[in-house]
Parts: sequence; structure tokens; C-alpha cells
Amino acid sequence: NAGVMQNPRHLVRRRGQEARLRCSPMKGHSHVYWYRQLPEEGLKFMVYLQKENIIDESGMPKERFSAEFPKEGPSILRIQQVVRGDSAAYFCASSVDGGRNEQYFGPGTRLTVT
Amino acid sequence: RKEVEQDPGPFNVPEGATVAFNCTYSNSASQSFFWYRQDCRKEPKLLMSVYSSGNEDGRFTAQLNRASQYISLLIRDSKLSDSATYLCAVNSPSGSARQLTFGSGTQLTVLP
Repeated sequence: NAGVMQNPRHLVRRRGQEARLRCSPMKGHSHVYWYRQLPEEGLKFMVYLQKENIIDESGMPKERFSAEFPKEGPSILRIQQVVRGDSAAYFCASSVDGGRNEQYFGPGTRLTVT
Repeated sequence: RKEVEQDPGPFNVPEGATVAFNCTYSNSASQSFFWYRQDCRKEPKLLMSVYSSGNEDGRFTAQLNRASQYISLLIRDSKLSDSATYLCAVNSPSGSARQLTFGSGTQLTVLP
């Protein structure tokens, strides 16, 4: 019973490059969430998706960030033209439809921008 | 006022001690409440949901006080392995109502 899977676990990008982070939810989970944890700060919600739909992107920066959850394949968080301030741990979580919205987190991708 | 507030600690307690954490939330319309633990540089792990009637899981007891808008976590008979940062999370009633707002965490160290 695999948990939430994320890859890569570590990603190094130079300023101006693109970063692509992938997340596969737990089996049976149809809701995916992305959170960001900046160094020495708390977890902040970014976006909530279901298959082929962005439900809530109120936490996403307006520029350079996008997310998708296609019909087939993992959810992708894409950051274009990365800057040093994007260096953080990006966690994906998933939950079942209905229920109490208990969210289970993946191991995260640590993005370092040099 | 922050949406979710926790005492950052650190709490340093001896093995076997009982320790309690509180977490206050600002939006009275919030409906779902959780405690997570996070080890250094790891992902948050769901510890327990918090139900209106309170709930217990082994050495851990969680309670919700809607009138005062806080949730609590009690850990009895602390073990060295309980050392971690404890995060409370509250659903945000706006938008999809499924996004979680996290406190900044309370750091616990259990000493031998």
C-alpha cells in the first residue's frame, strides 16, 4: 500500500531554469494538494487539484507557478524561471473523496536554486 | 492575528513526563482539525484528527474547544521517539474548504 510518492527528492536548478516536481497520490485518493515550506517557516497551502481540474489555487504565486493533475499520470508543479527565493521544500498531500479531509503527505522535493 | 497559532516551545521534558500543547485558531467556521508530527527535514505525518467529543489513541489525547477556539494535544508517558515538531492544522472555510492552514509548530524534545 504505497503512500504518496514524490520525485525528485532533491532538485538543484540555476536561476532562470524551470523546475518540475511530480506527485502521485495514494491509491484510491482523488484529491491532491501542494504545500511549500520555506526554511524556518511553516507549511503554506499552494493549490488543490482533482483529476483535470484546479479546484483552489488561492495560495499559488500569480506568476511563474502552475500546477496540473492530468487524467493519466502524476500531478505536476511547475516553476518557471526559478529565483533563489523559490528554494524550499515542496510537499504534496492527498486525500480521499468526502470524509474528514485527512491529508497524507509525500516525502517532499527539496528545491535548491543556485 | 495569525489564523492558527502555536507556542513554538521548545518543550524539553524527561522521559515518562506528560506534556500538553495548545493551538488556537481564528476562524470560528473551521470544521476539521488535525495534529501532525514532523521530524527534522521530513514530511508531516498525520498523528490524529480531532473530533468534537475528543479522542484518544494510545498515549495521545486530542481535544477541541469550539467556544474558546483551540485544540489541544496531550502526550502521556513521553518516549524519546516522541521528540519532533508538532503541527496543528485547521481547514480554511473559504474557497474549497479543503485547504489546511498549519501552525508554525511546537518543538518537543524528550530527554533521557
